[in-house]
Amino acid sequence: DFVVTQSPDSLAVSLGERATINCKSSQSVLYNSNNKNYLAWYQQRPGQPPKLLIYWASTRESGVPDRFSGSGSGTDFTLTISSLQAEDVAVYYCQQYYSTPRTFGQGTRVEI
Amino acid sequence: QVQLVQSGAEVKKPGASVKVSCKTSGYSFTDYYMHWVRQAPGQGLEWVGWVNPKNGDTRYALKFQGRVTITRDTSISTVYMELSRLRSDDTAMYYCAREYDFYQYWGQGTLVTVSS
Repeated sequence: DFVVTQSPDSLAVSLGERATINCKSSQSVLYNSNNKNYLAWYQQRPGQPPKLLIYWASTRESGVPDRFSGSGSGTDFTLTISSLQAEDVAVYYCQQYYSTPRTFGQGTRVEI
Repeated sequence: QVQLVQSGAEVKKPGASVKVSCKTSGYSFTDYYMHWVRQAPGQGLEWVGWVNPKNGDTRYALKFQGRVTITRDTSISTVYMELSRLRSDDTAMYYCAREYDFYQYWGQGTLVTVSS
């Protein structure tokens, strides 16, 4: 199975400051035939289901503010919130969909 | 618009079974795999399995094999997840999620509580 590990487990960021979350997969999620990284990021606010933010490692889902960006390739990825807003307080998960079983990182709690 | 509406909360005793439904609308039901993901209280996300609504093929996480069954009813565009021989550590929120490689749409979740 692909093991996906996030860091840090939690972080506190001031309003308007940058938040950076890292995600590492135990195996590459880059599919060479289409040059796509099978890695997604989700945001989960308290009491709500996860919400898709980023897919293919760097493609923003429709309606997601452009302060959210994803980068990386192969085994190492980053989610960046360029200017933290109050509504961004949540837990963030990365997930690989290269292989079954689908696996998630353990989550990163972002606080102000 | 795409909607996934799950059945309501359940309370079960250890050893019992639970069947959770996920009713879909707003898209062609047989065009997308449906997955189930669970989340224990205060914990992370755990993949349970998927069903191909077109032909009923399924795949389950190893830890649930023998206890979980995912089915679908194409006549009412609904997917079901049944978990048997429930234990206290099965207490969790269970989500259905529509796959487009990634999970673009999620149900609202169904809380299953296992308690004697």
